[in-house]
Amino acid sequence: AQSVTQPDIHITVSEGASLELRCNYSYGATPYLFWYVQSPGQGLQLLLKYFSGDTLVQGIKGFEAEFKRSQSSFNLRKPSVHWSDAAEYFCAVGAAAGNKLTFGGGTRVLVKP
Amino acid sequence: EAGVAQSPRYKIIEKRQSVAFWCNPISGHATLYWYQQILGQGPKLLIQFQNNGVVDDSQLPKDRFSAERLKGVDSTLKIQPAKLEDSAVYLCASSPRGGTNGEQYFGPGTRLTVT
Repeated sequence: AQSVTQPDIHITVSEGASLELRCNYSYGATPYLFWYVQSPGQGLQLLLKYFSGDTLVQGIKGFEAEFKRSQSSFNLRKPSVHWSDAAEYFCAVGAAAGNKLTFGGGTRVLVKP
Repeated sequence: EAGVAQSPRYKIIEKRQSVAFWCNPISGHATLYWYQQILGQGPKLLIQFQNNGVVDDSQLPKDRFSAERLKGVDSTLKIQPAKLEDSAVYLCASSPRGGTNGEQYFGPGTRLTVT
């Protein structure tokens, strides 16, 4: 069975500082990996996805993530955060067939001015 | 293009009452999903439709939850009777095709409070 662990429940970062959110997954085959962001009262918005190829993927809003098969990780990064990046971030893994997504528990990001 | 629409956005009911949620996916999307997101947790898939057929309902509490997508477009999710632990946000998502890229587009959700 597939599973996702996001070890950090909360992260506080100063505006302009770098951000890294951790994600570890468990999946028997090559995973389809996703990062979603959820602002208060909003649905989930896709930031980026990885299926194959280059292990460093670029997403929207200046985010990037790196797939490391040896570590079963798919960490999300942003070089310089903006106050509008305060939100909850979810990592998810999907199967190649069927598209069922399994989500991690989420990391809430707070941005200090 | 219009996104995934859901209604109502908020609902408060008493335990043992019934409630229904509605979802209209993005036009042309064949796959539709219902997720339950309990406060402080990630979304959990309840049911997945491909057109009007059920692909996966393994985590749907079938004694009280039901869902349908009769014409392969919009869908309703019903809870009868509701329990306190059903308090959550119910998210609907849709996907343009199944089995290839897995990308899902989410609606704003319906926040259910059971008192």
